[in-house]
Amino acid sequence: GQNIDQPTEMTATEGAIVQINCTYQTSGFNGLFWYQQHAGEAPTFLSYNVLDGLEEKGRFSSFLSRSKGYSYLLLKELQMKDSASYLCAVSNNDYKLSFGAGTTVTVRA
Amino acid sequence: GAVVSQHPSWVICKSGTSVKIECRSLDFQATTMFWYRQFPKQSLMLMATSNEGSKATYEQGVEKDKFLINHASLTLSTLTVTSAHPEDSSFYICSASHPGQEYEQYFGPGTRLTVT
Repeated sequence: GQNIDQPTEMTATEGAIVQINCTYQTSGFNGLFWYQQHAGEAPTFLSYNVLDGLEEKGRFSSFLSRSKGYSYLLLKELQMKDSASYLCAVSNNDYKLSFGAGTTVTVRA
Repeated sequence: GAVVSQHPSWVICKSGTSVKIECRSLDFQATTMFWYRQFPKQSLMLMATSNEGSKATYEQGVEKDKFLINHASLTLSTLTVTSAHPEDSSFYICSASHPGQEYEQYFGPGTRLTVT
């Protein structure tokens, strides 16, 4: 099975940086995804890591360490619209996704 | 692109009735589609994997006779919630994989089901 842990909530100030950590224990691994989800909407894709290291895409970066079962999502230059839930999801050998409970990020002015 | 649509976007039904939700891949053929359920303030839980032309594979704890899945074509999968009860009220989301890129799932916009 899969066990995916991430913090429940984080609060940061507009313009700041926030790092959301995710640890996982899986029976198979085919990559780790980060999604953004606003209330009442479906998740939208942010990043995908399958090899160790940092993937940077604009204000968002994601890091993976497979040996440690660890990933983080880094959000820079926070904007009010970044207030949302951020979901860490692991793909197993059958390409099924297991999601963490999500981290609610609140950006304050 | 890879666009997935769902219909309806929201539905209210009475307890004991059945509701059908459609999931379509609009610009690609999806051999595999997934159905998720999300309760308020919780994460997405995979319900079943739907493969075109074959029976769906259900996750542990999901009643296959209650949640009927049909994947009749490469662009359409349907989820029917039979004999719905208030506890089935949830946000149902489908996703589809592009052949050859099964690691990435494209999500539909979701269907909000409320059973009264």
